[in-house]
Amino acid sequence: AQKVTQAQTEISVVEKEDVTLDCVYETRDTTYYLFWYKQPPSGELVFLIRRNSFDEQNEISGRYSWNFQKSTSSFNFTITASQVVDSAVYFCALSLNYGGATNKLIFGTGTLLAVQP
Amino acid sequence: EAGVTQSPTHLIKTRGQQVTLRCSPISGHTSVYWYQQALGLGLQFLLWYDEGEERNRGNFPPRFSGRQFPNYSSELNVNALELEDSALYLCASSWGRGPYNEQFFGPGTRLTVL
Repeated sequence: AQKVTQAQTEISVVEKEDVTLDCVYETRDTTYYLFWYKQPPSGELVFLIRRNSFDEQNEISGRYSWNFQKSTSSFNFTITASQVVDSAVYFCALSLNYGGATNKLIFGTGTLLAVQP
Repeated sequence: EAGVTQSPTHLIKTRGQQVTLRCSPISGHTSVYWYQQALGLGLQFLLWYDEGEERNRGNFPPRFSGRQFPNYSSELNVNALELEDSALYLCASSWGRGPYNEQFFGPGTRLTVL
């Protein structure tokens, strides 16, 4: 079965704190793709990053960084020096390579991040 | 470049009615996806259209249907509305068919069924 688990339902931090959002996935496929999306109060999902299963390099983009570890089936997301504008629901998602036959994103339940000023 | 657009923004219907939601993808994108985000159920995949054809369908009853037009815009139709259909319906688009393609989402249509 394919599944994405985001065990942290809600996280509250104070501005400038670092925060890590956890994502654990399950799949038997050897080729798959992982995504992170941000959903601010406006409701629109904003694409943040895609990672391929065969590329375990970590990535940094400004205050955002992602740690992909196949050994633990995790794809965690860290925000450094959080800001109030980071307040949103963050979703981790999995897409499988069935030769393009499905293309559906399997989402975790999301983590609500509240950054207090 | 314009993003994915959806209409209407909000909709209120009563049980048993029918509703049509509309989506325009990003220019150049051929694939359109529909997701339902209902309270307590998370984001669930509904439908995928590419090049005018339905390519995949999520675990939803047949009263959820749709189509994709030659200009790649799409409609989602829901017949015989039920209370549990109340949700935010999100449309996304991507370039090409690969599962590795990023899906870019619209602002959603919030449907309330009374």
